[in-house]
Amino acid sequence: QKEVEQDPGPLSVPEGAIVSLNCTYSNSAFQYFMWYRQYSRKGPELLMYTYSSGNKEDGRFTAQVDKSSKYISLFIRDSQPSDSATYLCAMSKAAGNKLTFGGGTRVLVKP
Amino acid sequence: EAGVVQSPRYKIIEKKQPVAFWCNPISGHNTLYWYRQNLGQGPELLIRYENEEAVDDSQLPKDRFSAERLKGVDSTLKIQPAELGDSAVYLCASSLDHGGANTEAFFGQGTRLTVV
Repeated sequence: QKEVEQDPGPLSVPEGAIVSLNCTYSNSAFQYFMWYRQYSRKGPELLMYTYSSGNKEDGRFTAQVDKSSKYISLFIRDSQPSDSATYLCAMSKAAGNKLTFGGGTRVLVKP
Repeated sequence: EAGVVQSPRYKIIEKKQPVAFWCNPISGHNTLYWYRQNLGQGPELLIRYENEEAVDDSQLPKDRFSAERLKGVDSTLKIQPAELGDSAVYLCASSLDHGGANTEAFFGQGTRLTVV
């Protein structure tokens, strides 16, 4: 079993809908949680970075971490076709340590 | 400010040949990572440097892979000899300060390697 599980999708939504993404993990030592967006043939781009449990909001993006359930989420409001990409969750045990990634969820926002 | 720069973007080689990838991290970033991303999967760490020291190379296949980060800036990852299973995207990332507040990792565009 992988340390970080993520549904591969694809997740198809109409433009303007809320996109809901999540990851579960098994190692309670993870303290730092990130979401990356990756367009085809590009490197991962950092979207959200959070420490420990709680919520963080940045524009249309909201990240939630529930360490008690070992579950993290990313919500994208008012989704746009330009949000179509693969979304990767990642986590680490300490700041600057290696990132353990989920397999990514492919998202398609249809105009 | 320039991001993480990698070259080449694409490389096609025959099996058993050597190949090298180059990475220039964001200026001032002391931590550098090499990840490998197979098709449809998330990246997996190969090696992590703090300045010029390799502090985590536990997942680097040392029989054929080597890496160096001379002077704690640029880094090179080498495969010799390459095998068909090495076909993947090789990603370089850097972060500012291990253990400090600004430790987000920023990725380059990657080098897509195809071994035929």
